[in-house]
Amino acid sequence: GENVEQHPSTLSVQEGDSAVIKCTYSDSASNYFPWYKQELGKGPQLIIDIRSNVGEKKDQRIAVTLNKTAKHFSLHITETQPEDSAVYFCAASPGDSWGKLQFGAGTQVVVTP
Amino acid sequence: EAGVAQSPRYKIIEKRQSVAFWCNPISGHATLYWYQQILGQGPKLLIQFQNNGVVDDSQLPKDRFSAERLKGVDSTLKIQPAKLEDSAVYLCAGGTGGLSGANVLTFGAGSRLTVL
Repeated sequence: GENVEQHPSTLSVQEGDSAVIKCTYSDSASNYFPWYKQELGKGPQLIIDIRSNVGEKKDQRIAVTLNKTAKHFSLHITETQPEDSAVYFCAASPGDSWGKLQFGAGTQVVVTP
Repeated sequence: EAGVAQSPRYKIIEKRQSVAFWCNPISGHATLYWYQQILGQGPKLLIQFQNNGVVDDSQLPKDRFSAERLKGVDSTLKIQPAKLEDSAVYLCAGGTGGLSGANVLTFGAGSRLTVL
């Protein structure tokens, strides 16, 4: 089955700096890669996703890149703000069911003013 | 639109007791999932429903866990008897299904279970 590894497990950045989280996956059949943000006491919330026919996608301060050959994808957050502090999860899904997600272990991001 | 509703938000039980969690997905979401999130880990899929039928329950510990989705809307997840390792947040998620660019998996806030 699919295995997703996520690094780093914790990330501390100064407000205004950039944050980068990296994930690798094992199943070459995976073709959907969402990123979720989870705040304390809440469920995960989708912030951006990318599909295997696209190499990069950007939404305001958030961008995701995908390298299918190397089986890795990354989340980039620019101009970080205190409200970006949360746990971020990457995930991968096989082609037969987009909602069957294999999640990484998560990255605790702390943005200090 | 209203989000995914889950209850109870918190539950504390002793081992070997039983517990049930309820989920009301977003209207129109044919596909429903239950995920288990142990503290400090990513969510792990337990079961997937399409309307009122089970699509995948291969990760569900069927000796103690059961789930149903009557009439293709609300769903319940039951644990009986509970073990200490079942302490986790149980997340319900839904979506419209299919492989298109518009699909988004929407999670509820979860039900936090503590087994003593």
